Amino acid sequence: GENVEQHPSTLSVQEGDSAVIKCTYSDSASNYFPWYKQELGKGPQLIIDIRSNVGEKKDQRIAVTLNKTAKHFSLHITETQPEDSAVYFCAASSWRNYGGSQGNLIFGKGTKLSVKP
Amino acid sequence: NAGVTQTPKFQVLKTGQSMTLQCAQDMNHEYMSWYRQDPGMGLRLIHYSVGAGITDQGEVPNGYNVSRSTTEDFPLRLLSAAPSQTSVYFCASSTSDRGGTIYFGEGSWLTVV
Repeated sequence: GENVEQHPSTLSVQEGDSAVIKCTYSDSASNYFPWYKQELGKGPQLIIDIRSNVGEKKDQRIAVTLNKTAKHFSLHITETQPEDSAVYFCAASSWRNYGGSQGNLIFGKGTKLSVKP
Repeated sequence: NAGVTQTPKFQVLKTGQSMTLQCAQDMNHEYMSWYRQDPGMGLRLIHYSVGAGITDQGEVPNGYNVSRSTTEDFPLRLLSAAPSQTSVYFCASSTSDRGGTIYFGEGSWLTVV
């Protein structure tokens, strides 16, 4: 089955700097790679996602890149702000998992991002 | 826009008690699932459903039961609570499209003493 590794587990940056979080996945059939932001006491919120037919996607200060050959994808946050401080999760969805059902996510273990003012 | 609604938000149970975590979505999503989140473990899939009347096990199903009688609702039952089930539980839903966006509820914090 799918396995998702996420690094680093903690990341501390100065306000205004960039932050990069990297994930690798094992199942070449995975076709959907979302990133979630989780603030303390809340559920994961989708911030950006990418599908396997796209190499890069941007949304204002956030971008995600996907390298299907190497089976890794990354989250890039530019001009970080204190409100970006949260735990970020990458995930991969493979239709092969769990009897061929769709939409199940395998999560990385999370990265705690701290942005210092 | 309600999205995915979970109740209760917080619950304390005694070992051996049973309870049901409720989940409802108003987006007409075919697909619903339950995850648990433990420190350092990320989110792990408990059970999932691809439509009304259809459920199946995920990565960590032991001690939990689910049913899907309607498209909107997907309750998670703890049959006999154990301290190892102390966790934060998240319900999620999505369309059945391959790679469809998945939406999470706000979570249910469960403590078993």
